[in-house]
Parts: sequence; structure tokens; C-alpha cells
Amino acid sequence: DVKVTQSSRYLVKRTGEKVFLECVQDMDHENMFWYRQDPGLGLRLIYFSYDVKMKEKGDIPEGYSVSREKKERFSLILESASTNQTSMYLCASSFRTGGAPGGVPDTQYFGPGTRLTVL
Amino acid sequence: AQSVTQLDSQVPVFEEAPVELRCNYSSSVSVYLFWYVQYPNQGLQLLLKYLSGSTLVKGINGFEAEFNKSQTSFHLRKPSVHISDTAEYFCAVSKGGYQKVTFGTGTKLQVIP
Repeated sequence: DVKVTQSSRYLVKRTGEKVFLECVQDMDHENMFWYRQDPGLGLRLIYFSYDVKMKEKGDIPEGYSVSREKKERFSLILESASTNQTSMYLCASSFRTGGAPGGVPDTQYFGPGTRLTVL
Repeated sequence: AQSVTQLDSQVPVFEEAPVELRCNYSSSVSVYLFWYVQYPNQGLQLLLKYLSGSTLVKGINGFEAEFNKSQTSFHLRKPSVHISDTAEYFCAVSKGGYQKVTFGTGTKLQVIP
């Protein structure tokens, strides 16, 4: 079974702190994704990586950055946390089919999520 | 850019009754379509997907969906729901040749005993 793990289920931080959210997958997937989930807004893509050291902005990248130094690990960084970044953060991974970032999208496997509260 | 509309934010239904969760998308190119389910306090998991071929797609737990290109819809159906189907359901679309997907806002299915 594919397993996607996230470093914390719950996290509380203060405004202005630098926050790191870690995601690890064990299925050798090329693609990894970070989403935030808010009530009534569904899932919105923050960043997408289709290979080590490769990244692409999603729909709401402002205030976030990412790092992918190893294939299995994808980190989301909040440089200076703000209260409007309080949310549920979901990581996902998938196989890459075809040439990146194109190709047919494959099933995404999700982690359990990190609920981040910024005070 | 493609978008996905799930008009119903909540759908209450009695146990053993049929259910349809609606999903419409907008895209002028070929698309790939997905339904994911999120059980309480869990991440999302795939229910079914349409990539090509038959427009009627069968998924896990007795769910199925039909791709209707003329109506740009991909509605999810189940003939008889169970309490365990209580969850939030997300429709997602990706345009051809691109691996990112866009998710809808979700529909909460509440099965009433």
C-alpha cells in the first residue's frame, strides 16, 4: 500500500514564525503536491513538484515556498506565518506519466493532513 | 483554465436510498475526471476516474459515474447508500496533457438511519 505521511497532525504557531511542514511518500512517486483545504473552498493547490529540485506554482503560492531535495520528501515552508494561513494542509503524491509536467494525471495518494493554527 | 462546480454543498439521504452527487466542469479540451472521498479525520482517497474509453465508470464501494461530454458533467451515483458512506466527496478535473488537477468545493453526504 502507498503510504504518505505528514510530520504533524496538529500544529500551533505564532504570527511571524517560520513554519516547516514535511511530507514523505514511500512509493517512489515522481509527483508531489501541497494543498490547503478550507471549508467551502475545497482543495486548492499551493505547489506541485514533478521531480527532485523541480517545482511549479499552483493556484495560491503567495506566502509559501517548497523544497524537494530528495524524491520521497516534499517540504512546505511558510516564511512568516500569518493568521490567514490557518488551515488544513494536505500532501499528495502520484506517478508521473509522460513528460513532466504534462502527461496523463494518475491517482493521487493523500496524507492524513496537518491542521495548522496560527495565533 | 479548467474549473469544477459542485452545486450541492450538502446532500442528506436516507439509508438504502439512491443518491446522485453532481459535478460539472468547464474545459474546451479533452479532460480527465476524478471523484475522491474524504472520511472524517482522514485524507482523500480515490473513488473512481475517467481517463478514456467507456463513459460509465465503476469505482469502489458500489459507486459509479458517467462522463457526459455534451453536458460537461460527471455525476456520481450509488443505488443504495449505507451509513458508512457518510463523508465528503470531491470531484476533480485535469485538462489533457497536464498532471495538475483542479478540485471542486466538495459535497458532504449525510446518510440518515
